Amino acid sequence: GAVVSQHPSWVICKSGTSVKIECRSLDFQATTMFWYRQFPKQSLMLMATSNEGSKATYEQGVEKDKFLINHASLTLSTLTVTSAHPEDSSFYICSASYKRDGTQYFGPGTRLLVL
Amino acid sequence: DAKTTQPTSMDCAEGRAANLPCNHSTISGNEYVYWYRQIHSQGPQYIIHGLKNNETNEMASLIITEDRKSSTLILPHATLRDTAVYYCIVRVALGAQKLVFGQGTRLTINP
Repeated sequence: GAVVSQHPSWVICKSGTSVKIECRSLDFQATTMFWYRQFPKQSLMLMATSNEGSKATYEQGVEKDKFLINHASLTLSTLTVTSAHPEDSSFYICSASYKRDGTQYFGPGTRLLVL
Repeated sequence: DAKTTQPTSMDCAEGRAANLPCNHSTISGNEYVYWYRQIHSQGPQYIIHGLKNNETNEMASLIITEDRKSSTLILPHATLRDTAVYYCIVRVALGAQKLVFGQGTRLTINP
């Protein structure tokens, strides 16, 4: 149980284009989903927290107009990287939480390369 | 959330028990100890969590000292597939609270 999927698993795009990443909880309803970013040889950094049906809460330094998050249902959250640039190239990972104790279950990640 | 301190790296022989320490001397009474691991190029995997009692599941055991200032994650019979970065995280377990990842311990299981 507690399986989280992400799509796509990797994406290459040109600078200036937008990329959408999907995060789905497959066997449970996620009250909250989180989006993290991980650069090479670094740890995970939380970007934002999203609750179903409400606006996401972004961490300090994360541009909300650049990283659009939509959490339209209890099983799906999307992250759209708008006008992507090479410095946005990273490993994007989502997690979902449903238990009262807030245990987070992570997706497999999406590797983004912006040329 | 309280800060944790972990060794940067550790080695363990295949088949042996891997004991990963974590210091969290500023932990508060309502904060839990969580362990996750991240195998190369994958998303983190939940392992176990506890408050003050020792915990065991199919993956590992978690031993928390009586004063709760430190803990040890035990992988009883390490395999090559246990090679990963292990993260010890302390946080309040009330609803959906964020996880703050440190640098973790890079555990290498050697054949």
